Amino acid sequence: DMKVTQMPRYLIKRMGENVLLECGQDMSHETMYWYRQDPGLGLQLIYISYDVDSNSEGDIPKGYRVSRKKREHFSLILDSAKTNQTSVYFCASSLSTGGRTEVFFGKGTRLTVV
Amino acid sequence: GQGVEQPDNLMSVEGTFARVNCTYSTSGFNGLSWYQQREGHAPVFLSYVVLDGLKDSGHFSTFLSRSNGYSYLLLTELQIKDSASYLCAVRDQGGRALIFGTGTTVSVSP
Repeated sequence: DMKVTQMPRYLIKRMGENVLLECGQDMSHETMYWYRQDPGLGLQLIYISYDVDSNSEGDIPKGYRVSRKKREHFSLILDSAKTNQTSVYFCASSLSTGGRTEVFFGKGTRLTVV
Repeated sequence: GQGVEQPDNLMSVEGTFARVNCTYSTSGFNGLSWYQQREGHAPVFLSYVVLDGLKDSGHFSTFLSRSNGYSYLLLTELQIKDSASYLCAVRDQGGRALIFGTGTTVSVSP
C-alpha cells in the first residue's frame, strides 16, 4: 500500500514528561528518518536510520533519541520534553539514500509541550 | 557550507504559470528534488533532476543549472488546487538525507 504511518497525530504534553512518537512503514525500506518542521525553518533532520539498530544523528539530535528494532518501525523519544520541542514531527522512509531515491513522508505528529 | 534557499511566497492567477526558484550550495551534488506540501499535510515527491537543462513533466517542469547552483520548478496552467508550499531539497554532504529549503508558498487566485 506504500504508506508511512505515524501515531499519534496530535499530542499535548507537559514540560518534563517523556514523549514517544511511533512510525511504521510497509514498503520494507531500509532507510528511515525523523524530521521536525517549524515555521521559517523548514524541515530539519533529527535522526536517520539505515537499518535495524543502525542509527545516526542528523542536524538537530539534542534532546532526542531513537529506536529501531524492526525494519518497519522507527520511534522517536523525547526524554523530559521541553517547550522548544513544540513542533510538527515527520517520519519518512526511502529505499536507500541514493540521489534519485524518493522519500515518503508520514502525515506528521503535531506535538505541543506546555 | 550547505544550504538551500527559496523565496517565501509567490502569488499567481489561475490559468497562468508560476516559477519557484531555488538556489543551493553543497559540497558534492547528487541531484535535486522538488516536493509539494499542502497545508497540514505531508510533503509529496514531485520531481528529481540531476542533469542541466529543462525537464518537462507536463504540468510541472524543472530546470537545473549546476554551475550556478540554481533550479526552478515551473507550474503551468495553474489551478486553484496547486496552491501549496513547494520544497526544494538536495542531499547532504554524506549523501545521507535530504536538506530542505524552507519552501515557497504558492497562492493561486481565481
